[in-house]
Amino acid sequence: NAGVTQTPKFQVLKTGQSMTLQCAQDMNHEYMSWYRQDPGMGLRLIHYSVGAGITDQGEVPNGYNVSRSTTEDFPLRLLSAAPSQTSVYFCASSYRSSGAYSYEQYFGPGTRLTVT
Amino acid sequence: AQKVTQAQTEISVVEKEDVTLDCVYETRDTTYYLFWYKQPPSGELVFLIRRNSFDEQNEISGRYSWNFQKSTSSFNFTITASQVVDSAVYFCALKGTASKLTFGTGTRLQVTL
Repeated sequence: NAGVTQTPKFQVLKTGQSMTLQCAQDMNHEYMSWYRQDPGMGLRLIHYSVGAGITDQGEVPNGYNVSRSTTEDFPLRLLSAAPSQTSVYFCASSYRSSGAYSYEQYFGPGTRLTVT
Repeated sequence: AQKVTQAQTEISVVEKEDVTLDCVYETRDTTYYLFWYKQPPSGELVFLIRRNSFDEQNEISGRYSWNFQKSTSSFNFTITASQVVDSAVYFCALKGTASKLTFGTGTRLQVTL
């Protein structure tokens, strides 16, 4: 298994440009999510999905769109990049929580995005 | 709302010292899970442990041990006989009944020779 993969590893954008960060997993996980990591702020949830066709907002969703057309893929779209979106982005996946049981999340290697 | 506090921003120890990383959480859920993740200098996030709210037993895995105390809402992580390879940022995280995982701000551990 490749686990969770993310592309690209690094990206530089100009303000106003749009782009899509790719995330894929081959573990048949129902739950996928996107986080951003900023210095001193830990990881903050952007969007998440509990299955194909179902997405929901996290803590910091503004400026980002997601869709989940397949179980394997969960792309994150930046509509009009801003310098405040300079960050490291992590995608994660896990089995969907079952009743009172929660599974750990597996993280991709991250995408370092700089917006100038 | 749920919250995770890691008050120690950075800790520096000499190899072979024991070190404890603190984690205090807040949640209104009666069923919840606590996690620790390690982020080495290479940047990836590595899962270390999951503990549910009904299981207050301490856990030991090699040099790592975890102390979960519901009475003080704490889930502390101790590394015994630290090694240089333990140098990393460590994150504590909380998941309640909702699907969202809330992370603390992390503790950077520096282990020197």
